[in-house]
Amino acid sequence: KNQVEQSPQSLIILEGKNCTLQCNYTVSPFSNLRWYKQDTGRGPVSLTIMTFSENTKSNGRYTATLDADTKQSSLHITASQLSDSASYICVVSAKVPGGYQKVTFGTGTKLQVIP
Amino acid sequence: EAQVTQNPRYLITVTGKKLTVTCSQNMNHEYMSWYRQDPGLGLRQIYYSMNVEVTDKGDVPEGYKVSRKEKRNFPLILESPSPNQTSLYFCASQTKTGPNYGYTFGSGTRLTVV
Repeated sequence: KNQVEQSPQSLIILEGKNCTLQCNYTVSPFSNLRWYKQDTGRGPVSLTIMTFSENTKSNGRYTATLDADTKQSSLHITASQLSDSASYICVVSAKVPGGYQKVTFGTGTKLQVIP
Repeated sequence: EAQVTQNPRYLITVTGKKLTVTCSQNMNHEYMSWYRQDPGLGLRQIYYSMNVEVTDKGDVPEGYKVSRKEKRNFPLILESPSPNQTSLYFCASQTKTGPNYGYTFGSGTRLTVV
C-alpha cells in the first residue's frame, strides 16, 4: 500500500529561524514528489516538484531534497517569516496507465512561526 | 487566469437535504478529482474523472455522487448528507502532458451537516 508519512506533525519556531520538515514514502512506481503549502481553509499550492533524478530543488527560501534510494524527502525553510505559518503537505505520485498520476498525500506538518 | 473554481465556499445544511458543490476549471484539463480533508487524516480522494462521461471511485466514495457531462465541470452531489460528511472539500484538476504536471486545487468548500 502506498503511504506517505510526515514529521513532525506540528512545529513552532521563532521568526527568522530555519526549520526542516521530513517526508518518508513507500510509493511505487515513483513518478514525482511535490511539496505543497496550504494556508488554513485554502487549497494547497505547489512549492516544488522533484523527479527521480533530482536531488535538490529550491524555490526562494524553500529548498527540497530527495533521496530516491532511501525514499526520503525534506523541505528546508530558511529565515522563516510569519507568512510561512501554514501546513506543508508532501505528495508523492505514482505512474498509472493512461498517462495520469495516482497521488498519495501525507497528513502534513503544521508550522507556526511566531514573532 | 488558470484556476479551479468551487462554489460555495461555505455551506451549512441539515441531514438528508440534497446538495451539490460545483467545480469548474478553465485549463482544458482531462482529469478532475474531489477530495475531502479531515483533521489528522490528510486529503482523501472521493471520486475522480479521466474525461467526459468517465468517472470512478476513489478511496472514500460512500455517500457521494459525481457527474462529468462537460470537460470543464465536475460537480459533487450529496444525495442525503449526514453529519459525518462535515468536512473541507477540494476539487482538483490535472493534465497528463508535460514532465512536471500536477494538481491545481480549488479554494475549498467547508461543509457542515447538522
